Amino acid sequence: ELVLTQSPGTLSLSPGERVTLSCRASQTIASRYLAWYQQKLGQAPRLLIYGASSRATGIPDRISGSGSGTDFTLTISRLEPEDFAVYYCQQYDSSSPVTFGGGTKVEI
Amino acid sequence: EVQLVESGGGSVQPGRSLRLSCAASGFTFDDYGMLWVRQVPGKGLEWVSGINWNSGSIGYADSVKGRFTISRDNAKNSLYLQMNSLRLEDTALYYCAKGYSYDQSTFIDYWGQGTLVTVSS
Repeated sequence: ELVLTQSPGTLSLSPGERVTLSCRASQTIASRYLAWYQQKLGQAPRLLIYGASSRATGIPDRISGSGSGTDFTLTISRLEPEDFAVYYCQQYDSSSPVTFGGGTKVEI
Repeated sequence: EVQLVESGGGSVQPGRSLRLSCAASGFTFDDYGMLWVRQVPGKGLEWVSGINWNSGSIGYADSVKGRFTISRDNAKNSLYLQMNSLRLEDTALYYCAKGYSYDQSTFIDYWGQGTLVTVSS
């Protein structure tokens, strides 16, 4: 099974700051088949990024994704109040069952 | 507007069965793969199972393999999860999710609001 490790577990930041979240895979993810989701308390997750770097519909350009192989990053250039949430990465490489990372909580 | 509405959750004793359903609308159901993802309250997301557009490709997490069965009825725009031999550790909120592509191994562009399954003696 392809394991995704997200770090750090929790980040305490302030609005306006830049944040970088890490997602590391236990083996190479083919064709950058990696997505990022945001989940707020009491809500279903929302797709942010797919294909490692493509923004989903309606996602502002202050949110970006990058990476390839085993190391991927989600960056929020300037934190807005609505960005405080939990973020998950997911791999969907067809050679392995779908898996999610354990999540990173971004808190004030 | 895409809508995914789960039903069938509830409280059940260990070893018993439940069948979850997901009614889909707002998109051409038989063009897309569908997934079930679960989440223990306060914990992370766990992929449970996925099915491609024509039920020709199906996958399960090791934790549910042999106990859960995913299926779909494209004529009824519905997704199902038959859960047998339920265990305490199956307690979670179960999300129905629409895949972005026809495949069962895909990312998710729409989620339902979830149905809660509680396994307790």
